[in-house]
Amino acid sequence: GAVVSQHPSRVICKSGTSVKIECRSLDFQATTMFWYRQFPKKSLMLMATSNEGSKATYEQGVEKDKFLINHASLTLSTLTVTSAHPEDSSFYICSARRPRTSTDTQYFGPGTRLTVL
Amino acid sequence: GESVGLHLPTLSVQEGDNSIINCAYSNSASDYFIWYKQESGKGPQFIIDIRSNMDKRQGQRVTVLLNKTVKHLSLQIAATQPGDSAVYFCAENWGYGGATNKLIFGTGTLLAVQP
Repeated sequence: GAVVSQHPSRVICKSGTSVKIECRSLDFQATTMFWYRQFPKKSLMLMATSNEGSKATYEQGVEKDKFLINHASLTLSTLTVTSAHPEDSSFYICSARRPRTSTDTQYFGPGTRLTVL
Repeated sequence: GESVGLHLPTLSVQEGDNSIINCAYSNSASDYFIWYKQESGKGPQFIIDIRSNMDKRQGQRVTVLLNKTVKHLSLQIAATQPGDSAVYFCAENWGYGGATNKLIFGTGTLLAVQP
């Protein structure tokens, strides 16, 4: 099966600092990756669609200057939470879509737990 | 708009029983649907999918049923085991095959298997 990794798995930072989260597709090239946010006992909410070599497409209500996304290669997308505040504390999950498959399935990473003090 | 849950419904079953988890989706134009399993502190794991030109698909111990008339999906798990305990999400694919292809997740259901 397709493997997607995230790093770090857990991060604690001080309010006002920036945090970068990496998402990698380990055994396939992903032209499209997605970033989700999940609060405790809630569903996954799509934040943005990350396309290799172009600007990310953000969902309504998601601040693009707050959540910077870079998809510099076919196997790596990064999400940077800038000037983080306690309300940004959440579980961030990425996924990668495997191209040229019959089902166009998204494969998810293990998630990154961000805690902002 | 997207489906966002306010609460997490819970289904409690006895080990060995069959489980049925239901989901209502929002977009009548969605033509591809997926069920995911999420264990605590982990990312979602693909279980089974179905396209809109089908109404039933079977996997190993799991069956997905699709009723497009009422925009309803169900996931049936046969002989439920303690390892099946997790949160189950349905997801509908918007814009399948197009440039805006994206997944919208349902509320989720917590499946608790009692030994």
